[in-house]
Amino acid sequence: NAGVMQNPRHLVRRRGQEARLRCSPMKGHSHVYWYRQLPEEGLKFMVYLQKENIIDESGMPKERFSAEFPKEGPSILRIQQVVRGDSAAYFCASSPLRGPDEQFFGPGTRLTVL
Amino acid sequence: GIQVEQSPPDLILQEGANSTLRCNFSDSVNNLQWFHQNPWGQLINLFYIPSGTKQNGRLSATTVATERYSLLYISSSQTTDSGVYFCAVVGGYQKVTFGIGTKLQVIP
Repeated sequence: NAGVMQNPRHLVRRRGQEARLRCSPMKGHSHVYWYRQLPEEGLKFMVYLQKENIIDESGMPKERFSAEFPKEGPSILRIQQVVRGDSAAYFCASSPLRGPDEQFFGPGTRLTVL
Repeated sequence: GIQVEQSPPDLILQEGANSTLRCNFSDSVNNLQWFHQNPWGQLINLFYIPSGTKQNGRLSATTVATERYSLLYISSSQTTDSGVYFCAVVGGYQKVTFGIGTKLQVIP
């Protein structure tokens, strides 16, 4: 049973470009979470999604960031017009059930904005 | 939101030593997890432990939910234990709040 997959593992963008990060949850998992980790810091919750629904986006910046989890395909975290402060590791996690349940993390995408 | 405090922030151990890491949280939680982030940045699930005690090899964890803390025990530490240990709690709507971590360095 494959774990949570994220790609790309490393992404370099210039200021003003768009970044698209993809996450495929574990088989059988229908809940996806995105987190951001700045250097030397813990992980900060960004958004919680189920298939075709955003459940909680209270951790998402109001501008330039969006997330989706379509009926088919991976979850996408999209960052428009990236700035240097967006440089971070972005982790995706998945869980199988609603309610308190164990989350499993992917390897992360390291975004570097030049 | 829920506040999560981890201590100590940094820890240096001689190989073979034991240690206890602590996680305090400010409100009742639905679950609690311990993770190890290795030097390559990968997050490894250690324990899913909303309450009680669990053991896995040289590691064990105890959560006392009524007193709002959890402990992670590492026995006979090895250099491969180096990295950052995070405690993460889940409050409402499965929003996970991470502590800032304990950075562990095990020296030979």
